[in-house]
Amino acid sequence: QSALTQSPSVSGSLGQSVTISCTGTSFDVGSYYRVSWYQQSPDTAPKLLIYEVSHRPSGVPARFSGSKSANTASLTISGLQPEDEADYYCSSYTSYTTFYVFGTGTKVTVL
Amino acid sequence: QVQLVQSGAEVTKPGSSVKVSCTASGNTFSNYNINWVRQAPGLGLEWMGRIIPLFGTTNYAQKFQGRVTITAAESTSTAYMALSSLRSEDTAIYYCVRDLGGPADYWGQGTLVTVSS
Repeated sequence: QSALTQSPSVSGSLGQSVTISCTGTSFDVGSYYRVSWYQQSPDTAPKLLIYEVSHRPSGVPARFSGSKSANTASLTISGLQPEDEADYYCSSYTSYTTFYVFGTGTKVTVL
Repeated sequence: QVQLVQSGAEVTKPGSSVKVSCTASGNTFSNYNINWVRQAPGLGLEWMGRIIPLFGTTNYAQKFQGRVTITAAESTSTAYMALSSLRSEDTAIYYCVRDLGGPADYWGQGTLVTVSS
């Protein structure tokens, strides 16, 4: 089971919108709604941003949104803020024996 | 308020074993699965396995089958992850995660395990 594929880096200016994609297969992203997104700042544990494709936990700003089409999930940050500079990971349930698989990670830079 | 508190950093030698604990506060320990995820220095996240404390059932990633054992003690709301036959590539931060990817997702602070001769 390979990791889900994410672009290594994405950048945007303050206030702009950026979208991070997460490409899997019909055995993971394409088949399950247990797709989630995490934000990880240096030396901290990942923090859940989106669960079950598009749901935001309480306390997560509304500028974070998630969606899915076929085998690709997406995270959009609308209106980049300085504190959004971090690494972002997607994850999905999978029908492989691994059960869960993570994305390769995307570094977001706020210009 | 939910808290998952993990045991402290470990330094171990190649070929040895390590056991990391994860203690949950609150009364919801048995209601959710507890997953173990690791992150090698500068690298991404890797799922290792999980346990459903209520039933004691476990699932492991194929990569770690035979080397990892996940257990839980409901009486102390503590989950454990034991990894054997350690090698340098196992140097990583190990996280316990409640309800991975679900609405009750919550991560422990992480435990650094260093494997070095």
